[in-house]
Amino acid sequence: DTAVSQTPKYLVTQMGNDKSIKCEQNLGHDTMYWYKQDSKKFLKIMFSYNNKELIINETVPNRFSPKSPDKAHLNLHINSLELGDSAVYFCASSQGTGGDEQYFGPGTRLTVT
Amino acid sequence: RKEVEQDPGPFNVPEGATVAFNCTYSNSASQSFFWYRQDCRKEPKLLMSVYSSGNEDGRFTAQLNRASQYISLLIRDSKLSDSATYLCVVMGGGTSYGKLTFGQGTILTVHP
Repeated sequence: DTAVSQTPKYLVTQMGNDKSIKCEQNLGHDTMYWYKQDSKKFLKIMFSYNNKELIINETVPNRFSPKSPDKAHLNLHINSLELGDSAVYFCASSQGTGGDEQYFGPGTRLTVT
Repeated sequence: RKEVEQDPGPFNVPEGATVAFNCTYSNSASQSFFWYRQDCRKEPKLLMSVYSSGNEDGRFTAQLNRASQYISLLIRDSKLSDSATYLCVVMGGGTSYGKLTFGQGTILTVHP
């Protein structure tokens, strides 16, 4: 069984479209995250939720809106996609909010044309 | 200064070699430290946590120097399967508690 899963794995879309990426974890963890890894391979945190509550919200355009319907799911909706949004988006989860190991999903490779 | 800085490499070493990676961090209030490994086009995975007393896991040894804000990873007897990008990761303290900041990674290629 996959611990942290994301769908879709690949997403190619045009500028201006709205798209969503879904993430699910079956580890029973309380905390989930979204990261963006750009073309230079820097991995940066975007959001973190603990038990459905937003706890980390980095400086991300408000076109990005995370939603956590329950603690096992954290989805990411992106409005009005721009070329600069092209990246790999990783979902992750951890037991707590401290220095617990984070388990990453396989990533969603988003290409905006 | 970047929050977490690593030598990006690449490091190309033969099998059996010993290789060391260094990392510095800027926030003295940082709480926890890790090395993650990322294979090409895959997700990052935890390699090991880093403690002030130093810790070892098989061929891998991690060291932390809080005074110098410096973290290291030593890989002995390199294997072909060690080829990957090694990410230095720092967890913030205070208002950044729980937030992981990743270095840009050091690329390692082990060749026969």
